[in-house]
Amino acid sequence: TQTVSQSDAHVTVFEGDSVELRCNYSYGGSIYLSWYIQHHGHGLQFLLKYYSGNPVVQGVNGFEAEFSKSDSSFHLRKASVHWSDSAVYFCAVRTSNTNKVVFGTGTRLQVLP
Amino acid sequence: EAAVTQSPRNKVTVTGGNVTLSCRQTNSHNYMYWYRQDTGHGLRLIHYSYGAGNLQIGDVPDGYKATRTTQEDFFLLLELASPSQTSLYFCASSEETLYFGSGTRLTVL
Repeated sequence: TQTVSQSDAHVTVFEGDSVELRCNYSYGGSIYLSWYIQHHGHGLQFLLKYYSGNPVVQGVNGFEAEFSKSDSSFHLRKASVHWSDSAVYFCAVRTSNTNKVVFGTGTRLQVLP
Repeated sequence: EAAVTQSPRNKVTVTGGNVTLSCRQTNSHNYMYWYRQDTGHGLRLIHYSYGAGNLQIGDVPDGYKATRTTQEDFFLLLELASPSQTSLYFCASSEETLYFGSGTRLTVL
């Protein structure tokens, strides 16, 4: 079965800073990797995904993520954060044979003014 | 925009009670999922389904049953609710990207 690890439970940065949220996974087969965002009191919303091709994928609101097979990672980045980016971010792994989707424990991003 | 509707939004029951959480999606997605969200655990997969009559076991299935009656409707059943099942429950539908409902907050006293 697949597992997803998000090592940072909380990340605090200032507005305008860059940020990287880390995601590592383990699974031996073919997978889709995704990031989702959850604002307080709401369900999760899709940010971006990777399946194959260019390992750097672009998402909404200036987010991008980079896949590394050697590191089993799919880290999320943003060059300049805004206060509205404050939310919880979840990494997810979907197996292509069973379509089982497993999430990490989430990283709470706090952006200070 | 995909639409996933969960009901009720909030539910309070007592230990040993019988609870059904409902989820309806209007986009004819094949896959539907039930998760619970708890602080420190993120989202944990309870059950999922790839069509009417199908059920796949997730990672935390104990104490939960689920039934997919139609392409649109996926129900989560707690037949003997326990306080440990107090949680925020999310349903999602998907072909590739998951579309989530707004959640059901369940409290078991």
